[in-house]
Amino acid sequence: NAGVTQTPKFRVLKTGQSMTLLCAQDMNHEYMYWYRQDPGMGLRLIHYSVGEGTTAKGEVPDGYNVSRLKKQNFLLGLESAAPSQTSVYFCASSSYGTPNQPQHFGDGTRLSIL
Amino acid sequence: AQRVTQPEKLLSVFKGAPVELKCNYSYSGSPELFWYVQYSRQRLQLLLRHISRESIKGFTADLNKGETSFHLKKPFAQEEDSAMYYCALSGGSNYKLTFGKGTLLTVNP
Repeated sequence: NAGVTQTPKFRVLKTGQSMTLLCAQDMNHEYMYWYRQDPGMGLRLIHYSVGEGTTAKGEVPDGYNVSRLKKQNFLLGLESAAPSQTSVYFCASSSYGTPNQPQHFGDGTRLSIL
Repeated sequence: AQRVTQPEKLLSVFKGAPVELKCNYSYSGSPELFWYVQYSRQRLQLLLRHISRESIKGFTADLNKGETSFHLKKPFAQEEDSAMYYCALSGGSNYKLTFGKGTLLTVNP
């Protein structure tokens, strides 16, 4: 059981380039999330999804787009990378339930924008 | 709006000493509080949640609604407890988590 898998693990981009980060989960979770982790800032929510075909903005959505075409996958795109987007990106998923269920995280993607 | 404050960025203790990682929150409804831990080179993982009222790896945390706190405690710290700890909050039908900025715990031998 792999849980949440993120690809790639590392990537270096030049300013202005585009790329897509892939998140896949095999737990049949309804909810998926993308966070960025920066020193001294904790984890900040970029975008999230409550189900296949739906996405919503989080706390820091500017410069990013997402898609959830399949329930198990959640893609994060950078259309024109900027140095300010240098960060570690984490994907997470959780199931629907009351009370709110814990989130399961991937290993992260370390992204550097030069 | 919901907010989580972890006042200590860094916390250093000696092995065998008690440790307390502070977490205060702001939320108008009934919160659900979590502690997540990230060991070096590992993924973020759930340590404990307040509704479970359980002790994980010797850690406990009590929700104090009067003081709006959810401090994480362990009576005798171990070197393997060295990690980054995040307090997080969700509330009601809002399944999204709001994280604190984290506290890096170092347990010295």
